[in-house]
Amino acid sequence: QVQLVQSGAEVRKPGASVKVSCKASGYTFTSYYTSWVRQAPGQSLEWVGMINPSGESTTYAQKFQGRVTVTRDTSTTTVSMELSSLRSDDTAVYYCAFYSLSRKSLDYWGQGTLVTVSS
Amino acid sequence: DIQMTQSPSSLSASVGDRVTISCRASQSIRNYLNWYQQKPGKPPTVLIYVASNLESGVPSRFSGSGSGTDFSLTISGLQPEDFATYYCQQGNSAPYTFGQGTKLEIK
Repeated sequence: QVQLVQSGAEVRKPGASVKVSCKASGYTFTSYYTSWVRQAPGQSLEWVGMINPSGESTTYAQKFQGRVTVTRDTSTTTVSMELSSLRSDDTAVYYCAFYSLSRKSLDYWGQGTLVTVSS
Repeated sequence: DIQMTQSPSSLSASVGDRVTISCRASQSIRNYLNWYQQKPGKPPTVLIYVASNLESGVPSRFSGSGSGTDFSLTISGLQPEDFATYYCQQGNSAPYTFGQGTKLEIK
């Protein structure tokens, strides 16, 4: 059974960076891209970016280009997302999720990590 | 980016009702449209993928239809556990944008 376990809540000051990790288990490694989606309080879902199974290719939403980096450690089946130059409107729950190439859907989700940006 | 517009943004209904939520894409997404359900404090879960395919384990009272730019999610015979927020999402091209959500509340 696929399981995605994310790192714990973080608090950062404006201008700082944050790195959130997502450890996966119970799946066929080459089957999924790993996406990151965020949800600000009371708001909808916003797709941030993703990395391919080998970790060699990333795609980011234009809004986050230059501020976000998604990496993959294949030895530990962990994907991480680092967001820099944080602003107060980056305060959100960040989810990792597996994107199925065949179904074009986000099939499995982590539990979410709350990132709070506050001075 | 492809814009996804859901309607209505909120909906009040009773147990046993049939409800329909609509989702419109700003350009054709073929049939790469997914529906998710989210309950407070939990991540979303997929209900329907590729417009009309029911996810394993999801009750058959949920159904999806549409192609191109216009899609809908129908719940026939609402159950208490169905009161949640529903999101559409296009899987056609990155960024894989979501609708703004439809909050389904008990009347």
